[in-house]
Amino acid sequence: AQSVTQLDSQVPVFEEAPVELRCNYSSSVSVYLFWYVQYPNQGLQLLLKYLSGSTLVKGINGFEAEFNKSQTSFHLRKPSVHISDTAEYFCAVAPLGGKLIFGQGTELSVKP
Amino acid sequence: NAGVMQNPRHLVRRRGQEARLRCSPMKGHSHVYWYRQLPEEGLKFMVYLQKENIIDESGMPKERFSAEFPKEGPSILRIQQVVRGDSAAYFCASSPLGEIRNTIYFGEGSWLTVV
Repeated sequence: AQSVTQLDSQVPVFEEAPVELRCNYSSSVSVYLFWYVQYPNQGLQLLLKYLSGSTLVKGINGFEAEFNKSQTSFHLRKPSVHISDTAEYFCAVAPLGGKLIFGQGTELSVKP
Repeated sequence: NAGVMQNPRHLVRRRGQEARLRCSPMKGHSHVYWYRQLPEEGLKFMVYLQKENIIDESGMPKERFSAEFPKEGPSILRIQQVVRGDSAAYFCASSPLGEIRNTIYFGEGSWLTVV
């Protein structure tokens, strides 16, 4: 079975500051890794995904994430956030051929 | 993603009534997933369907919940005799194939409120 832990439920930051949203996972098999963003009262939008290859993955809106197999982590980063990045962010894993398993979510709040 | 259409967006039901949530996948997609998001929680997998087949229903509550994806028409998530604890956002997602490597597109969600 797989599980995902997002270590921070809320992350407040000031505009133009860097941010890191942490995600750790547990799995006995190889998995694919994903980050999704959810704006209020909307569905989920894919930010980026790691399937294989380079461990540094670049996504939309200036976000990137690094897959660390030894630490079973897939932390999401952005060097400079905007007010518009305020949203809920979900880390997810899926075994090959399996379904997405989501973390609890991290609420990113960007303040001016 | 606007391509996956869910309706209704908001639904209010009294305890004991039935709720039907519909999902039209993106054009060309034959795989549908349903997830539930309870307040202050992440998304929990409920069921995975192909046309006319339930592939994985390991996340479905044993009673009152059912799902279908007929040959023609949208996928339906049906909740009978709703209770307050069913109040949640229900998200549908679709993909062209059952392979998770392909991007799964989510709908805007259906918010069920049980009063």
